Amino acid sequence: QSALTQPASVSGSPGQSITISCTGTSSDVGGYNHVSWYQQYPGKAPKLMIYEVSDRPSGVSNRFSGSKSGNTASLTISGLQAEDEADYYCNSYTRSYIYVFGTGTKVTVL
Amino acid sequence: QVQLVQSGAEVKTPGASVKVSCKASGYTVTSYHMHWVRQAPGQGLEWMGIIKGSGGRTVYAQKFQGRVTMTTDTSTNTVYMELSSLRSEDTAVYYCGRELDAAYYFDCWGQGTAVTVSS
Repeated sequence: QSALTQPASVSGSPGQSITISCTGTSSDVGGYNHVSWYQQYPGKAPKLMIYEVSDRPSGVSNRFSGSKSGNTASLTISGLQAEDEADYYCNSYTRSYIYVFGTGTKVTVL
Repeated sequence: QVQLVQSGAEVKTPGASVKVSCKASGYTVTSYHMHWVRQAPGQGLEWMGIIKGSGGRTVYAQKFQGRVTMTTDTSTNTVYMELSSLRSEDTAVYYCGRELDAAYYFDCWGQGTAVTVSS
């Protein structure tokens, strides 16, 4: 199972919006609405930010939103803040209890 | 509150095995699935496999089949991941993460266990 493809880095100024893409195939991202997104600070465990493509867990800022079109899922961070500077990973269910992560994207706040 | 606490860092020689524990508190391990994910230095997250909460069925990523074993000890509410025939490329931080049945996401993670494989 190949990793989902994400841009290595995305940057934006405070207050701007950025979007991170996550491209897979019809066997993973395109085949299921089971896409989730995780935020990870250096040396820390990942944190769930979005699940089922666009649902947000309790406690996660509504500045984070998710969507999907075909084989590509996207995470949008609006009103970018310094605390959003972190690594972001998408994850998708594939089949038979097998999952795959994206390659990861480093978000930089300029 | 819900918490996953993992065992401490390990240093192993090539060819050895390592067994990492993930002790759950605030819930019963049999009511959730547990996934294992690893992250090599400077690299991304890599899904290793799942042990189902009910029944203990396991599914492993093809890359690790034959080398990884995931088990549950219900008496201590702990899940284990054992990786054998270690090589330098297995040097990574290993995380456990739980999933409610049919939720398809990982809502709580352990703090990570660093495993170093070096001669």
